[in-house]
Amino acid sequence: NAGVTQTPKFRVLKTGQSMTLLCAQDMNHEYMYWYRQDPGMGLRLIHYSVGEGTTAKGEVPDGYNVSRLKKQNFLLGLESAAPSQTSVYFCASRTQGAGEAFFGQGTRLTVV
Amino acid sequence: AQSVTQPDIHITVSEGASLELRCNYSYGATPYLFWYVQSPGQGLQLLLKYFSGDTLVQGIKGFEAEFKRSQSSFNLRKPSVHWSDAAEYFCAVGNQAGTALIFGKGTTLSVSS
Repeated sequence: NAGVTQTPKFRVLKTGQSMTLLCAQDMNHEYMYWYRQDPGMGLRLIHYSVGEGTTAKGEVPDGYNVSRLKKQNFLLGLESAAPSQTSVYFCASRTQGAGEAFFGQGTRLTVV
Repeated sequence: AQSVTQPDIHITVSEGASLELRCNYSYGATPYLFWYVQSPGQGLQLLLKYFSGDTLVQGIKGFEAEFKRSQSSFNLRKPSVHWSDAAEYFCAVGNQAGTALIFGKGTTLSVSS
C-alpha cells in the first residue's frame, strides 16, 4: 500500500517553463489537496478536489491549474513558472466524512 | 472563512519537561481538528484528531489535545518531552464536506538537554 505518491521529488525550472506535478493515491479517497510550504508560512492550500472531475480554488491559486480526470490522480500544473513559485509542494488525500489527511513526501521545486 | 492561529512560532523546552502548544481556530460550524508533526525534510504525520465526542483526545507518541469550544482552542500537550520530539508542529481545521483543510503556520519545537 503506497498511500500518496508525488512525482517528481525534486525539480529545477527556468523562469517561464511549464511543468506538471503528479499526485497519486491508492486509498480510494474522495478528497485531494495541493499545498505549498514556505518558511514561516505553514502550508497554504492551492487547490483542492472533492471528487473526480471537480476542482476548486484554495487560498493561493494564482499561477496554478489543476485537473482530476481520474479519482486516484490529482495534477498540479504551472504554465509559466516564476521564482515566487519556488517552494515545497505537498499533496494530500482523505476520505469522506471524519477522515484524516494523508500526505505525500513532497516535491521540492526551484525556479531560477 | 476558516483560519488557524498558532501564536508561538518557536518554543524551547527542556528534555523531560512538559509541553503545551497553542492552537486557536475560526470556523462557523463544528470543526474537525488535527495536529500534525513534521520532521526536517519529511512529510506530515498525524498526531491526533478530533471530530466529536470526548473533548480530550489521545494521540501517538504520548501526545494529547483538548478541544475547548468556548475558547475556540485545540491545544496540544505532552507531559514529558523527549529529544526526538524536536520538530515542527501544525494545527489544522477541516470540515466533513472536504472543502476545507486549513493549516496554521506551525510551531517549531526545540528540545534542550
